[in-house]
Amino acid sequence: EPEVTQTPSHQVTQMGQEVILRCVPISNHLYFYWYRQILGQKVEFLVSFYNNEISEKSEIFDDQFSVERPDGSNFTLKIRSTKLEDSAMYFCAIQGSGANVLTFGAGSRLTVL
Amino acid sequence: GDSVTQMEGPVTLSEEAFLTINCTYTATGYPSLFWYVQYPGEGLQLLLKATKADDKGSNKGFEATYRKETTSFHLEKGSVQVSDSAVYFCALSAGRGYSTLTFGKGTMLLVSP
Repeated sequence: EPEVTQTPSHQVTQMGQEVILRCVPISNHLYFYWYRQILGQKVEFLVSFYNNEISEKSEIFDDQFSVERPDGSNFTLKIRSTKLEDSAMYFCAIQGSGANVLTFGAGSRLTVL
Repeated sequence: GDSVTQMEGPVTLSEEAFLTINCTYTATGYPSLFWYVQYPGEGLQLLLKATKADDKGSNKGFEATYRKETTSFHLEKGSVQVSDSAVYFCALSAGRGYSTLTFGKGTMLLVSP
């Protein structure tokens, strides 16, 4: 069983729609991260989340994006009013054993039409 | 800012061939360096890491040496197997935020029997 499960594995949406991507770790973790990879480009850091607060965010993570932990286990990334350029693979990660070691989910592929 | 540059893929090899995937980096200070691997349909998994100059990370027959003088962390394996087919990501953590990683674009490796 994977340590981190992401849903959906693939979502197709129309431009302007809202999307929620979910991340479920196998056990309780305090640190969560979202990264994304636009096809053919680098994996980019979006945001880190610690103890129910954003601890760090990149320039990419603007007002269009939000993260929350609605029920103490799931960790969600919400994208309001999606744009074509939001099409990417979105990866959730948790802090693994040892500093600077992240355990990633398989990713959620978002396609915005 | 921090950056990681990897060789373009795909790298196509026959089974038992020698593998090198080049990775160079730019960072302030003394980053930790990582190689992550993504098998089809799975998340990114830590393959190996090195935290200071001249350290050698190794795992599953893969090795990489932290070369500060050339700012490189090339991945090598003496004899690849079909099961090594995956996408390999070089990454660094320069202490900016807790466990925030800067990734390269990834290099796809295809090994044929």
